Amino acid sequence: DAGVIQSPRHEVTEMGQEVTLRCKPISGHNSLFWYRQTMMRGLELLIYFNNNVPIDDSGMPEDRFSAKMPNASFSTLKIQPSEPRDSAVYFCASSSNLGTGGGSYNEQFFGPGTRLTVL
Amino acid sequence: AQSVSQHNHHVILSEAASLELGCNYSYGGTVNLFWYVQYPGQHLQLLLKYFSGDPLVKGIKGFEAEFIKSKFSFNLRKPSVQWSDTAEYFCAVRPNNAGNMLTFGGGTRLMVKP
Repeated sequence: DAGVIQSPRHEVTEMGQEVTLRCKPISGHNSLFWYRQTMMRGLELLIYFNNNVPIDDSGMPEDRFSAKMPNASFSTLKIQPSEPRDSAVYFCASSSNLGTGGGSYNEQFFGPGTRLTVL
Repeated sequence: AQSVSQHNHHVILSEAASLELGCNYSYGGTVNLFWYVQYPGQHLQLLLKYFSGDPLVKGIKGFEAEFIKSKFSFNLRKPSVQWSDTAEYFCAVRPNNAGNMLTFGGGTRLMVKP
């Protein structure tokens, strides 16, 4: 199993540019999460999808951030326009349902992250 | 809102010392509990999890954690740490009414001196 795949691994861009981060969850997983990690704020959940539908996006910082999941095997997180304070490591994670019954889920598996630097 | 507290932000130990990292949460209902580890420059990996059953959970690399419901705690332990355990450790809680969302603690940075 390849695990959660993220690209790019590193991104350096200038303020005002559009940034797109990509994630491929583990095959068969139906929940997908985008997190942001910084020294100051720790690990923050940005948005959570279940069966490709956004369930909770209350962690998305502002309108400059948007996330999509067009199908079960792909998600993007876009920042437009980017700002220096967006510099962070962005992690994607996925998990599967435990099977029977509603609301039962397995643990989350994290991808390697994208280190974003906005100059 | 639920919260997860990891009271020790930084811990420094010598090799072979015993480790206990605290984790407390604020939720009165049924929860799933997790400990993740993040080695320097890497992503989070699951150390162990508690869903139900025996409150003493064994994980990978000699780690264990004990769920004490009355204390709302899920402390992580290891009897003898190694230099390779240097990492950041995150406790996470998933209340049964929160769908699949985890609430993470602020993390504890462990440094093990050789």
